[in-house]
Amino acid sequence: GAVVSQHPSRVICKSGTSVKIECRSLDFQATTMFWYRQFPKKSLMLMATSNEGSKATYEQGVEKDKFLINHASLTLSTLTVTSAHPEDSSFYICSASGRASLSDTDTQYFGPGTRLTVL
Amino acid sequence: QKEVEQDPGPLSVPEGAIVSLNCTYSNSAFQYFMWYRQYSRKGPELLMYTYSSGNKEDGRFTAQVDKSSKYISLFIRDSQPSDSATYLCAMSVSSSGYSTLTFGKGTMLLVSP
Repeated sequence: GAVVSQHPSRVICKSGTSVKIECRSLDFQATTMFWYRQFPKKSLMLMATSNEGSKATYEQGVEKDKFLINHASLTLSTLTVTSAHPEDSSFYICSASGRASLSDTDTQYFGPGTRLTVL
Repeated sequence: QKEVEQDPGPLSVPEGAIVSLNCTYSNSAFQYFMWYRQYSRKGPELLMYTYSSGNKEDGRFTAQVDKSSKYISLFIRDSQPSDSATYLCAMSVSSSGYSTLTFGKGTMLLVSP
C-alpha cells in the first residue's frame, strides 16, 4: 500500500520559534497533499490543500502567513509553523493523494503525524 | 447540523464481540465512503473504501452503506484487543484522491481481553 512519512514525529519548541514539518510520499508520486490539525479527542480539521508547484489553498480561518506550506516536488510537502505560540500546540497530520499500485485505492493516505508542543 | 455525525463513544466491548460503528450524513452529494482506523498518537489508516449502497467485506470487517437513509456502518466481527482504536468515517463527493474528505469526529473503541 501507499506509504507516507512525516518528520519529525515529535517536536518541542519555545514560543516565537519556527518549526518545519516534512511530509513525504515514499512509494508514489503525490500531486496533491493535504495538511490537517487534530486536537485531543477531536476529528481531523483540514488546514490546507497543497498542489505541487503551486500555492496552497487554505481553509477558512487558517492563517497562510502563520502556516507556510511548500510543495516543491511530487514526493515532498513541508508545513512551517512560524512564530509558534502555545495555542499552536497540536497534532499535525499530512496526507498524500494517489496510489502506489493498481491494487491501491485512489484516495488519501495519511502520515503518522507530528506532535508539536510549544512552551 | 454538521455534515457528518458520529458518536464519539467510548464503546467498550469484550473480546470476541461484534462491533457496530455508525455515521450519518446530511449531504446527498457524498458518493464515496471510507473508514479509517487511528491508533493513539498515530495517523489514520485506511480500512475500507466503498461507493455504492450495500455491503463490502474484508476479513473481519464489513462496511455497509445506505444512501437512501444517509447512513453508513462498519461491523467488526470477533473483535480483538488490537482493534482498540478510534474509528473515523470519511466521505467525499468525488472518487479522485484529490478531493476533499469530510470526517466524522471518530468513535473510540475499547476491546477488553
